[in-house]
Formats: sequence, C-alpha cells, structure tokens
Amino acid sequence: QKEVEQDPGPLSVPEGAIVSLNCTYSNSAFQYFMWYRQYSRKGPELLMYTYSSGNKEDGRFTAQVDKSSKYISLFIRDSQPSDSATYLCAINSGGSNYKLTFGKGTLLTVNP
Amino acid sequence: NAGVTQTPKFRILKIGQSMTLQCTQDMNHNYMYWYRQDPGMGLKLIYYSVGAGITDKGEVPNGYNVSRSTTEDFPLRLELAAPSQTSVYFCASSYSGSGGNYEQYFGPGTRLTVT
Repeated sequence: QKEVEQDPGPLSVPEGAIVSLNCTYSNSAFQYFMWYRQYSRKGPELLMYTYSSGNKEDGRFTAQVDKSSKYISLFIRDSQPSDSATYLCAINSGGSNYKLTFGKGTLLTVNP
Repeated sequence: NAGVTQTPKFRILKIGQSMTLQCTQDMNHNYMYWYRQDPGMGLKLIYYSVGAGITDKGEVPNGYNVSRSTTEDFPLRLELAAPSQTSVYFCASSYSGSGGNYEQYFGPGTRLTVT
C-alpha cells in the first residue's frame, strides 16, 4: 500500500460548485497535513496547513483531517475558474523528519 | 525576497550530455530539496540537504549529484543525460529552526527534455 493515495481525476465542475478533494494515507505517524495548489507550468504553493483532526477554514477553502480513518479532504466552496489547478496533498510525520510525502495530485477544472 | 529561484527555465539536452540546474533561495532556510515531477506521478524527491556541506539521497537519486557549499545554493548535476531524465525539476526549501514548520517553498521549475 502506498503511503499517500490521491485520486488523480481529472475533475471538471461548473463555476459555483462545491469541490471535494481527498487523500488517504497508511502511516499513523503522520501528523502534519498540507494542501498545495499548482497552476499549470508553475511551482506548487502552500494553500492550507493543519496538524490536528478536525476542520480548518480559510475563506472558501476548508481542510478536514480524520486521523482515525487516515483521511484528509480539501473543500472548495463557490468554486471559481481561477481555482483551476492541480491540488496536491502533502504529509509529514513531524519530529526531525522534514521530508514531505506527496500525493500524485488531482487536476481540477472549473468551467465558467 | 525573491524566494526560491531556478535557472534555466527550459533546456534541451542530447543523450550523454551533462548539465547543472541552479537553485538559490534568499530566505535563510537550512533545508533544501530537489524534486522531479512527471505527468500523473506527483513529486519524487531526488536529493535533499539539511545544511551547508550535508546532503542525502531521496527516493530517485540515480543519475544525479548535488552539492551544498552555501546556505543559499543547491545545484543539481545531471551526468550522462538519458531520455528517462526528461521531466520538470523543482527546487524547494524549508526552515527547521525555532518558529519553523514543515512548509516547503518551491521554485518555478526547470523543464528539461533529453533527446
């Protein structure tokens, strides 16, 4: 079983839709969870960061972590064409290990 | 701050040629990383460095070499380029000291084609 699994999509939604992006992980030692957004031909940039179970909101974005199920989600409300990008989950076990384990990324297109 | 900068943006190499991908960060980050990204395959860690003079292999180090003589610079060397090294290469950095977290900051990437 891979350490991080992410459905690569592609996912296509109409403008204004609620988008749900998900990752599962296998290592219960993981405790820091991030979502990166990557526009076409650009480097990834951090979108959301959380280290506990529960929800974290930032504007139209909500990151959700369920450690008991080893499942993380990113919700985008009122999606916009400018949200069209690849979304990568990234996970870290903390401590002295600063390496991130990335999902393969989900390509999202929001159609106007 | 410019953040993480990478040069060149694009490069075409012939099989067997060598080249160095440059990476510089101006955030005084101690950790630096090199990734490659192939379509649908996510980011694969090639090498990383925890500070000047210290480097270690990642998941896919074969065919690459790195050095870290300063905090700011972390060049990636390709020797004897092969078609399998056609990819987009990203450099990243992070800070592990007081107040630091595990966020990595990425450069804009170098798109390399080996023919």
